[in-house]
Amino acid sequence: EAGVVQSPRYKIIEKKQPVAFWCNPISGHNTLYWYRQNLGQGPELLIRYENEEAVDDSQLPKDRFSAERLKGVDSTLKIQPAELGDSAVYLCASSGQGAVFGYTFGSGTRLTVV
Amino acid sequence: RKEVEQDPGPFNVPEGATVAFNCTYSNSASQSFFWYRQDCRKEPKLLMSVYSSGNEDGRFTAQLNRASQYISLLIRDSKLSDSATYLCVVNPEGFQKLVFGTGTRLLVSP
Repeated sequence: EAGVVQSPRYKIIEKKQPVAFWCNPISGHNTLYWYRQNLGQGPELLIRYENEEAVDDSQLPKDRFSAERLKGVDSTLKIQPAELGDSAVYLCASSGQGAVFGYTFGSGTRLTVV
Repeated sequence: RKEVEQDPGPFNVPEGATVAFNCTYSNSASQSFFWYRQDCRKEPKLLMSVYSSGNEDGRFTAQLNRASQYISLLIRDSKLSDSATYLCVVNPEGFQKLVFGTGTRLLVSP
């Protein structure tokens, strides 16, 4: 089975520019997560989707971040405008059974804002 | 207080050594527990689940103490390839999400 696919792998942008990340979850997985991992820290949840509905977005900085999951499959996370502090790795994960049995991450997008 | 706390290390050990990592969690009603491994510049990968009865997978042993809200990971006969960051992970009750510790870095040297 194909894993969680993310693109791009790397992105370098200037501050104040927009950026978008894309995630394709494992087929059949209805739960999709976006995490952000800062250097030397563990991943922190930004948003969780159940099918196409965002059910936990309490940690998403809504002034500049937005996300969508069209048709309950692929998802896009957007930052506009990006700030220097947004430099991090953005990880997508999916699960077919919630979080009780853990879940699988994609390879992530490493964002550098200069 | 952080939901999941770990000693960030690094732990520097020679090949063949036994090393143990500990982790504490704040939500006493947490229902599932894991150790994830993360190699440099890679994504976290599930290493093993942690059960109340303790569980073993080859050289790796995980223990859970619910009364003390404490999780441990023991690695025996360390290999160079064990060098990585080990993330303690908790699923708080009622939440379909995983909460990660900051990770403990392990460096195994020849």
